[in-house]
Amino acid sequence: GESVGLHLPTLSVQEGDNSIINCAYSNSASDYFIWYKQESGKGPQFIIDIRSNMDKRQGQRVTVLLNKTVKHLSLQIAATQPGDSAVYFCASIIQGAQKLVFGQGTRLTINP
Amino acid sequence: DGGITQSPKYLFRKEGQNVTLSCEQNLNHDAMYWYRQDPGQGLRLIYYSQIVNDFQKGDIAEGYSVSREKKESFPLTVTSAQKNPTAFYLCASSPRGTYQPQHFGDGTRLSIL
Repeated sequence: GESVGLHLPTLSVQEGDNSIINCAYSNSASDYFIWYKQESGKGPQFIIDIRSNMDKRQGQRVTVLLNKTVKHLSLQIAATQPGDSAVYFCASIIQGAQKLVFGQGTRLTINP
Repeated sequence: DGGITQSPKYLFRKEGQNVTLSCEQNLNHDAMYWYRQDPGQGLRLIYYSQIVNDFQKGDIAEGYSVSREKKESFPLTVTSAQKNPTAFYLCASSPRGTYQPQHFGDGTRLSIL
């Protein structure tokens, strides 16, 4: 099977600083990874995804890094803003499977 | 605007009652999913459907049932057999294919009276 875990349940950063949220996965056959942002009372919102044939992918103010050797991925958010405060989930799919497996989430708090 | 609509946003159930949660999407996605989220937890898969008139059990299907009679609709029934139904229920959809992200609705919060 697959399990996905986040390293820290909570993270606080100063507004304007960069944030790094980490995630580990257990199954080396996982080949697709997604980061989601969830605000209170809402559904998860897609942020960025990455396939296992890539090490890095960039979006607007976000970068996902994938280290397949140690089965670790991270989400970097540049110049964090108050609107970035939310719970962030990583999720993965094992090659050939149809189901996403979610981690438990990291709550990011942006301090003014 | 295309999206996923879940209704109602809040739902209350008495002991012994079945309730049905609605999920409609106008994204023309083939696949649809139901997840359960408990406080401070990640999402757990209840049921999913890759195509109309077909669906599969997820990790926690006991006490739930679904139907997929139309591409755009995937209702979830929480039966009286589900002993701990209080949770936040999320519906998602995705295009066909492995490397496709799932997109979520804004959930239904179910509580027991």
